[in-house]
Amino acid sequence: SQKIEQNSEALNIQEGKTATLTCNYTNYSPAYLQWYRQDPGRGPVFLLLIRENEKEKRKERLKVTFDTTLKQSLFHITASQPADSATYLCALVGNSGYALNFGKGTSLLVTP
Amino acid sequence: NAGVMQNPRHLVRRRGQEARLRCSPMKGHSHVYWYRQLPEEGLKFMVYLQKENIIDESGMPKERFSAEFPKEGPSILRIQQVVRGDSAAYFCASSPRAPTNEKLFFGSGTQLSVL
Repeated sequence: SQKIEQNSEALNIQEGKTATLTCNYTNYSPAYLQWYRQDPGRGPVFLLLIRENEKEKRKERLKVTFDTTLKQSLFHITASQPADSATYLCALVGNSGYALNFGKGTSLLVTP
Repeated sequence: NAGVMQNPRHLVRRRGQEARLRCSPMKGHSHVYWYRQLPEEGLKFMVYLQKENIIDESGMPKERFSAEFPKEGPSILRIQQVVRGDSAAYFCASSPRAPTNEKLFFGSGTQLSVL
């Protein structure tokens, strides 16, 4: 069966440091992968999309890598701030070609 | 430019009642998706609709749940004869085109509580 796995344990880091979150997947052959942010009581918000032929993508303090051989994506937040505290979700389109499937997410807490 | 609007924000029902959740997609978006999120669980895909058509309902429970997206008006997720296990946050998302290579825009969700 198709699986998307993210670190279940919360990640606690100090302000200013780089946060690195991992997304591993099995039984997907994705053309692209997406990352979203979710705050408590709110819907997810799209952050970045990376295609299979892109090794790395950046947007401001965010960087995403995509290794289709390892079946893994890494999500980095540099110079982290307390406002970055949230749950981060990775997502892949399933076999139907329609359903965007999400991992359970990793909770990030940035402390001053 | 209003985002995806969901209402009600909170819905309380007793076991056996019906729940109707509404979703108005972003302006210009004709593709709607419904997801369910249980506490400590991830977002689970339920159904994908285009105007007047159900395209993929592979994540929808076979009984008691139905969805529609009429030509006019919001998309509706309907749960008949609710049970306690239906208590969850239900999120709607929309996109302007078919989901391939598209990001989704999510609403703030409806929190359904079944007493």
